[in-house]
Amino acid sequence: SQQGEEDPQALSIQEGENATMNCSYKTSINNLQWYRQNSGRGLVHLILIRSNEREKHSGRLRVTLDTSKKSSSLLITASRAADTASYFCATSQGGSEKLVFGKGTKLTVNP
Amino acid sequence: SAVISQKPSRDICQRGTSLTIQCQVDSQVTMMFWYRQQPGQSLTLIATANQGSEATYESGFVIDKFPISRPNLTFSTLTVSNMSPEDSSIYLCSVRHGSLEQYFGPGTRLTVT
Repeated sequence: SQQGEEDPQALSIQEGENATMNCSYKTSINNLQWYRQNSGRGLVHLILIRSNEREKHSGRLRVTLDTSKKSSSLLITASRAADTASYFCATSQGGSEKLVFGKGTKLTVNP
Repeated sequence: SAVISQKPSRDICQRGTSLTIQCQVDSQVTMMFWYRQQPGQSLTLIATANQGSEATYESGFVIDKFPISRPNLTFSTLTVSNMSPEDSSIYLCSVRHGSLEQYFGPGTRLTVT
């Protein structure tokens, strides 16, 4: 069953704007990972945040995690047309390495 | 990170036939995972493949339909058997390499007619 729920389902912005995507989950997690998928291709790993972390940065990406609210957000700053893709969060729980994915947010960055 | 390749990248198959998808990793990994992504949907785990043991299937997936082999620590295959149009999906393998991150192959886009 789906663990994460991203919102919005779709987001359209102009180049240079910031994009924020949210992910909520239902049970306790070990970590949460964000992925990007371009046009039905393979997934590109963006960032992992552990359950004891609150914020991580990687280039133009900023991820936050609020375990009390069971939610995470992915912020892409100064977006580019090349950021157009679907973004998924995925969680791992307990002693399992398997990932449970959210439904994804489809981001369109207009030039 | 691990470099993962899949073959074929895409295929169009007839109903009732089977297709075997290969996944090759450039380093040894203990666990490999197979996911399915139906059109417009998110990813769902099919099974976890450990070298030297039977694959562990998730609810809704059975070995007769999706037999998996894991002959060594760098390679795995997933077969989609007796295909129907509902099997049209992207199939992806993934591995956990080193730390906690999981990395994915480029996927195999399957269309069943």
